[in-house]
Amino acid sequence: EIVLTQSPGTLSLSPGERATLSCRASQSVSSNYLAWYQQIPGQAPRLLIFGASGRATGIPDRFSGSGSGTDFTLTISRLEPEDFAVYYCQHYGSSLPETFGPGTKVDIK
Amino acid sequence: QLQLQESGPGLVKPSETLSLTCSVSGGSISSGTYYWGWIRQPPGKGLEWIGSIFYSGSTHYNPSLKSRVTISVDTSKNQFSLKLSSVTAADTAVYYCARHPGSSMVRGPVDYWGQGTLVTVSS
Repeated sequence: EIVLTQSPGTLSLSPGERATLSCRASQSVSSNYLAWYQQIPGQAPRLLIFGASGRATGIPDRFSGSGSGTDFTLTISRLEPEDFAVYYCQHYGSSLPETFGPGTKVDIK
Repeated sequence: QLQLQESGPGLVKPSETLSLTCSVSGGSISSGTYYWGWIRQPPGKGLEWIGSIFYSGSTHYNPSLKSRVTISVDTSKNQFSLKLSSVTAADTAVYYCARHPGSSMVRGPVDYWGQGTLVTVSS
């Protein structure tokens, strides 16, 4: 099983600032099958990034993903008020089980 | 626009079987190469993938839950279902149904989610 670790646990920033979120895997993620989701309290998660760097349909270009192997990053270039939420990374693909990281909460400083 | 909607009891007694159904609208469950799956989230905690069923009927389950889980599809009703047996308080969670694209061996990321339904296990 691939274990995903996210850091930091909480990121306190102001609107307009840059957010950098980290996701580290316990072993190499094949084919960069790594996704990022945003979850606003009381709502279902929303897919932001797939394949480590591909932006999902309708996702603003201030969201970008990078990385390969075991280290991945989600960057939000300039935080908008609606971006304050919890972010999860996920490993998917052919191995079992699919796993999620514990999440990073981005809150308003 | 594809929509997924979970339904089922909000309260289940310990040792009983949790049963949920996901109704799909805006698209056919049997068209395209998609997985239909379930993901849960205990209150205040993170996400856990339960399992998924390919449109052809093949299933993939989380090994930690495999002995208790059954996912099935009813194409005539455009629905898929989750059964989780021998539940305990640890199974209390918001249960989401979901769609993810894929092939027979590779599951993609979740691109559509239901709104989620809270299931509480308590006597």
